[in-house]
Amino acid sequence: DVKVTQSSRYLVKRTGEKVFLECVQDMDHENMFWYRQDPGLGLRLIYFSYDVKMKEKGDIPEGYSVSREKKERFSLILESASTNQTSMYLCASSRTPGANTFGSGTRLTVV
Amino acid sequence: DQQVKQNSPSLSVQEGRISILNCDYTNSMFDYFLWYKKYPAEGPTFLISISSIKDKNEDGRFTVFLNKSAKHLSLHIVPSQPGDSAVYFCAASRGDSSYKLIFGSGTRLLVRP
Repeated sequence: DVKVTQSSRYLVKRTGEKVFLECVQDMDHENMFWYRQDPGLGLRLIYFSYDVKMKEKGDIPEGYSVSREKKERFSLILESASTNQTSMYLCASSRTPGANTFGSGTRLTVV
Repeated sequence: DQQVKQNSPSLSVQEGRISILNCDYTNSMFDYFLWYKKYPAEGPTFLISISSIKDKNEDGRFTVFLNKSAKHLSLHIVPSQPGDSAVYFCAASRGDSSYKLIFGSGTRLLVRP
């Protein structure tokens, strides 16, 4: 069974902390994505990566950065967490356009 | 400004009846549309898609209709089952950035036994 695994289900962090969200896929997909899901706003793309060390900004990249050192792993970094980054974060991967496989999500609370 | 809109936050349907979920979009450059289904505590899962060269795509109980002139798509579930109760997201992409999906805000479907 193919999988996208997000390392944490729930996280609570303090304002100003540096936060790392990790995602691993076992499908050998070239493309990986980070979204955040907020009520009334749906899923919004933060960053995506189409190859190792390659990245592209999504619709809401401000306050975030990403790292893709290995094909299977895509990390989302909050350089200095703020309360408006409290959200559900979803990682996904795909080989073909649109056919995203999502992880179960990480619910991040910044206090 | 949301390019993909799902104006109904929720929908309640009796088991066995038809569920119709609607989605509107504003960007005429979108050429590929998808529906995802999300259960609580799980990530969204792909359900069905349609290319702009078609106006209908069917997969079992699920049918997606696309009306390009109205910039509208809909998902029909017939017959609806309690296990269909979930949040449904529509999404769209355009050919020159086909990996970037733009999602709607979702519609929560409740199928009553």
